[in-house]
Amino acid sequence: EAAVTQSPRNKVTVTGGNVTLSCRQTNSHNYMYWYRQDTGHGLRLIHYSYGAGNLQIGDVPDGYKATRTTQEDFFLLLELASPSQTSLYFCASSELGSNNQAPLFGEGTRLSVL
Amino acid sequence: AQKVTQTQTSISVVEKTTVTMDCVYETRDSSYFLFWYKQTASGEIVFLIRQDSYKKENATVGHYSLNFQKPKSSIGLIITATQIEDSAVYFCAMRRGDNQGKLIFGQGTKLSIKP
Repeated sequence: EAAVTQSPRNKVTVTGGNVTLSCRQTNSHNYMYWYRQDTGHGLRLIHYSYGAGNLQIGDVPDGYKATRTTQEDFFLLLELASPSQTSLYFCASSELGSNNQAPLFGEGTRLSVL
Repeated sequence: AQKVTQTQTSISVVEKTTVTMDCVYETRDSSYFLFWYKQTASGEIVFLIRQDSYKKENATVGHYSLNFQKPKSSIGLIITATQIEDSAVYFCAMRRGDNQGKLIFGQGTKLSIKP
């Protein structure tokens, strides 16, 4: 069954801390995305990737790095976390091309930066 | 630049009636894909229905249908015979048709269904 799995589901860190959010998809999709969700802003795109080793800049990339190590795994890195990065983070995967499936989402990771 | 706008922050309707949620988008692409998602109270984001820009027919899935007005860059979601469990936040999204695959969302509309 197609799936997108995020870990951890909840994370608390302190200002200046180092955080890595993980996402794994078993859909054989080529695209993967990281979003943050905040009240009043909907889902805002941080970074995305169309394959291992590729990274594309989204609309709100400041303070975030990302790395796609394999077709399945996409990581979001906060190297100096700030309270403004307290948010709900979603990962998604999608297939472009002849299959062209609708993007599928993970369960979300709630991050609190104190 | 691409943009997706949902101007309705919240809507409340009585159960078993029909509701329409609005969404307008901006793009210079000749080919693009439009999606509607539902976010439940638990936070889960579920895909509902899609419209490919090159298709003239409005998509329909179950009690969800779309009102695609390409000249107006508009893609409305229509839910007929609403049920209590349709209460959720609904998001409109657009993906570019080229190989960039960038996917962006509107701000969302909170739908409340009253008994």
